[in-house]
Amino acid sequence: QQQVRQSSQSLTVWEGETAILNCSYENSAFDYFPWYQQFPGEGPALLIAIRSVSDKKEDGRFTIFFNKREKNLSLHIKDSQPGDSATYFCAASEGTNAYKVIFGKGTHLHVLP
Amino acid sequence: EAAVTQSPRNKVAVTGGKVTLSCNQTNNHNNMYWYRQDTGHGLRLIHYSYGAGSTEKGDIPDGYKASRPSQENFSLILELATPSQTSVYFCASGEGGREQYFGPGTRLTVL
Repeated sequence: QQQVRQSSQSLTVWEGETAILNCSYENSAFDYFPWYQQFPGEGPALLIAIRSVSDKKEDGRFTIFFNKREKNLSLHIKDSQPGDSATYFCAASEGTNAYKVIFGKGTHLHVLP
Repeated sequence: EAAVTQSPRNKVAVTGGKVTLSCNQTNNHNNMYWYRQDTGHGLRLIHYSYGAGSTEKGDIPDGYKASRPSQENFSLILELATPSQTSVYFCASGEGGREQYFGPGTRLTVL
């Protein structure tokens, strides 16, 4: 049973478009939601994260929209660039078990020039 | 300067052989983790550690052991490697369970 689900395995957008990556979760106790970015041949790296007390977190071209009631969130990448082509993992953890992060299966984003 | 390093980066092993994957971190984090990454499965937690001398089972511990002899080092041990353990393995360190810092990965092939 997947606790963190990413709706698309793969997503293709054109350069300059907004890429939207969707994620949903099951455990209402989750309170921290990081997104990791992974390039081929490298380990994942934290891109942006949001806590469940917020409904939006912005960092440059990257924005997380969070809906606690619906238990879903999305990562918006504005003005997508070919260099954004990577795999993006949605993840979640809860305060009492904060050491353990549950990862989604990842969405591979292709940005075409 | 890389804060989490893994060795070896690539490894070919034979079925039934013993494999040890090593991880070193200079972040001074208490928590360290071993994941494997397979297409269609994402990242799955094998073992983790709260500090030197401690190891805990993750979600898929069968066939793996872990060792944390010091704050900096965390090893993953496959006593009897099987082809199903062919994968890319990532080590990570973290504090408070929030951001995790990953190493570059080890590609293991078991023939």
